[in-house]
Amino acid sequence: GQQVMQIPQYQHVQEGEDFTTYCNSSTTLSNIQWYKQRPGGHPVFLIQLVKSGEVKKQKRLTFQFGEAKKNSSLHITATQTTDVGTYFCAGEPYLNSGYALNFGKGTSLLVTP
Amino acid sequence: DGGITQSPKYLFRKEGQNVTLSCEQNLNHDAMYWYRQDPGQGLRLIYYSQIVNDFQKGDIAEGYSVSREKKESFPLTVTSAQKNPTAFYLCASSMKAGAYEQYFGPGTRLTVT
Repeated sequence: GQQVMQIPQYQHVQEGEDFTTYCNSSTTLSNIQWYKQRPGGHPVFLIQLVKSGEVKKQKRLTFQFGEAKKNSSLHITATQTTDVGTYFCAGEPYLNSGYALNFGKGTSLLVTP
Repeated sequence: DGGITQSPKYLFRKEGQNVTLSCEQNLNHDAMYWYRQDPGQGLRLIYYSQIVNDFQKGDIAEGYSVSREKKESFPLTVTSAQKNPTAFYLCASSMKAGAYEQYFGPGTRLTVT
């Protein structure tokens, strides 16, 4: 099926450093969602992007959707220990809308104080 | 108090036994999903259901079965045919399938020995 690739797989930063995870799809997406899973927890929805080139911010988190709607990124400014977890992107394929999302494998973020 | 529940949190079974994982939601969502999570593999879709009495195979359906007789319930049976059943299983629901926020349950960690 359609692939959603996410890089890097792991990232270890010092508290206060910035962090970015990237999501790339082999096909055009209708929309993309981002989720966060804390260690030992379950994924929790963060945001959905729909429009080409869309940028949304949530405090220190900035989400972007590429112009071609094939890639997306999540950038965290000045990380805190509360940012620790795995961040997943999930895309809805444009040619297969209304069904299940394709999840990336996630980027695990570790923040050391 | 609306939400999605999974039980039990931990489950232990002997090899060769079928086991059924419970998933219930009171969010009045049409769509429900089962994912399997292994370290470094992200979320892999097992089955999903867009509406009552209907379900579709995901990427890794072999060795699993589901039913959707009620809107609120989407149980997953891990059969003895599943070659490597030990994993963390997550159930999710969304208002409709596709571009809608997914709400995840707390998960069931299944260990088969």
